[in-house]
Amino acid sequence: DTGVSQDPRHKITKRGQNVTFRCDPISEHNRLYWYRQTLGQGPEFLTYFQNEAQLEKSRLLSDRFSAERPKGSFSTLEIQRTEQGDSAMYLCASSREGYQETQYFGPGTRLLVL
Amino acid sequence: AQKITQTQPGMFVQEKEAVTLDCTYDTSDQSYGLFWYKQPSSGEMIFLIYQGSYDEQNATEGRYSLNFQKARKSANLVISASQLGDSAMYFCAMREILSGSARQLTFGSGTQLTVLP
Repeated sequence: DTGVSQDPRHKITKRGQNVTFRCDPISEHNRLYWYRQTLGQGPEFLTYFQNEAQLEKSRLLSDRFSAERPKGSFSTLEIQRTEQGDSAMYLCASSREGYQETQYFGPGTRLLVL
Repeated sequence: AQKITQTQPGMFVQEKEAVTLDCTYDTSDQSYGLFWYKQPSSGEMIFLIYQGSYDEQNATEGRYSLNFQKARKSANLVISASQLGDSAMYFCAMREILSGSARQLTFGSGTQLTVLP
């Protein structure tokens, strides 16, 4: 049973560029989450998918952010016109709906916007 | 209002000793779950232990146990027989099952644990 994977692990970009991150959840998990973590803080929720449907978006997710989960498998998170404030660790987690549901996290993508 | 409070930014423990990491939470839900995660310097969040609000027994997983005091709204993590590899950031998190948005986790600010040889 492979865990959650994320790609790339690190991304350095210039302000104004677009970036896209990918998350592959654990295969039998129908729920997928994106979180953002800045230095010294706990992760903050961004958005959530159940299968292919995006059911919830945080107000942290500005119009420059978009997430997709086509066919209910992998997910992508795109940031358009990046700003220095977008520099953070972007974490993906997946879970299987049910009692004592537990989210399992990937290794994260560290984004640095110069 | 902060929903998860971790008041210890940093903790030190001697190898082979036990350590308690504090966590208090705030919710009006009767049904919720409490989680502890470990985050080494590599960045990955590793699930450690879960406690449901209706669970009468404190959760245990190997060297980890959760001291759940519902009336006090506390969910402290106890690590027994600390090892050097336990040095990491530890996060307490909560999921409110009824009124919480989606199924998201709300995290505390974390405690940096350092195990001394």
